[in-house]
Amino acid sequence: SQQGEEDPQALSIQEGENATMNCSYKTSINNLQWYRQNSGRGLVHLILIRSNEREKHSGRLRVTLDTSKKSSSLLITASRAADTASYFCATDESNYQLIWGAGTKLIIKP
Amino acid sequence: DAGVTQSPTHLIKTRGQQVTLRCSPISGHKSVSWYQQVLGQGPQFIFQYYEKEERGRGNFPDRFSARQFPNYSSELNVNALLLGDSALYLCASSLPGINYGYTFGSGTRLTVV
Repeated sequence: SQQGEEDPQALSIQEGENATMNCSYKTSINNLQWYRQNSGRGLVHLILIRSNEREKHSGRLRVTLDTSKKSSSLLITASRAADTASYFCATDESNYQLIWGAGTKLIIKP
Repeated sequence: DAGVTQSPTHLIKTRGQQVTLRCSPISGHKSVSWYQQVLGQGPQFIFQYYEKEERGRGNFPDRFSARQFPNYSSELNVNALLLGDSALYLCASSLPGINYGYTFGSGTRLTVV
């Protein structure tokens, strides 16, 4: 079963613009993680935010977590062509299993 | 350091056959997880092994089995393959605890015909 739901399903923006993706989930979590996947290959870990954290930054990435609304957002600032990929949120509620959403497909137009 | 390595990268099998997929974790990682990703969907959890013991199993039939070896590498076996088993199979390793993310391999693309 999939817990997370990403919104939007697809996003197309101009290079240099900011991209925002949202994730909602259903149950209590230990942490929430964001991953990137290029062309259906391996997933790359981007950032992890623990349930007691509200915001976290890593380079051009900013993640927020609202546990009262069971939602998270991923902001990519100053987008580049290389950011074109699918982005997934995954929740860790059991310490051994990640539950994933269906992903947001991001296209950066030159 | 080498990342998570998976073999083979691609595989074509016939319905009813059996397949074994292999994974080597990052050095120092004792936990290995397996996920199935069908095209257009997010990954689905199959198994996690830690210190050679099964820690968790997802909602997959008994045709799916796995094991972890003393060097922490792992194998995923799928028997009696069905067309619906066609997917990208991903292996991930991690450090223990809730403060660490997972490092994934590039996956094995299994096609059942």
